[in-house]
Amino acid sequence: AQTVTQSQPEMSVQEAETVTLSCTYDTSESNYYLFWYKQPPSRQMILVIRQEAYKQQNATENRFSVNFQKAAKSFSLKISDSQLGDTAMYFCAFMKHVYTNAGKSTFGDGTTLTVKP
Amino acid sequence: SQTIHQWPATLVQPVGSPLSLECTVEGTSNPNLYWYRQAAGRGLQLLFYSVGIGQISSEVPQNLSASRPQDRQFILSSKKLLLSDSGFYLCAWSGVTDNNYGYTFGSGTRLTVV
Repeated sequence: AQTVTQSQPEMSVQEAETVTLSCTYDTSESNYYLFWYKQPPSRQMILVIRQEAYKQQNATENRFSVNFQKAAKSFSLKISDSQLGDTAMYFCAFMKHVYTNAGKSTFGDGTTLTVKP
Repeated sequence: SQTIHQWPATLVQPVGSPLSLECTVEGTSNPNLYWYRQAAGRGLQLLFYSVGIGQISSEVPQNLSASRPQDRQFILSSKKLLLSDSGFYLCAWSGVTDNNYGYTFGSGTRLTVV
């Protein structure tokens, strides 16, 4: 079974600064996907960024980027130019290829990020 | 575009009462559908998933059941609620092609069993 570990329960960052959230996972699979989801105080879960394991290039979405280290099984999220609206709980998630596992995902316990003005 | 609707948003139910949470998806066909539960301040636990009409798989033995009577409708039910069923329930769907893997979530249901 897959496991996802987020070792930072809480983090804070000053507005406009950069912050990195850590995530490690354990799997014997070679074909999989990794995600970061954001859950603001409204509790609406939103997909932030996605990384395919077969791609060496790190994914980026505007101010959000990842550092995917497949051999180390590490998948960190970097938020640049942090904004107050980035305050949320962030979840790292692992998904095996949908055709082998029906798209089931394993989630970490989350990191609560607070952006301070 | 694809949207997902989940209701009700909040529910307070007495122990022993029945439960029905509903989720519908628009703008896509034959989606994979999921029910997750989130304990306070924690990650998500997969309860049920479905890859097609009438096809339900359970991940955790419990007091709950799920059904998929139509392609884009997913229902979470219980005949008799327990205190331990309290939590935040999330419905989600996922695409099955390389450019749309990943979940789109409903807005969630906060269930309190009293």
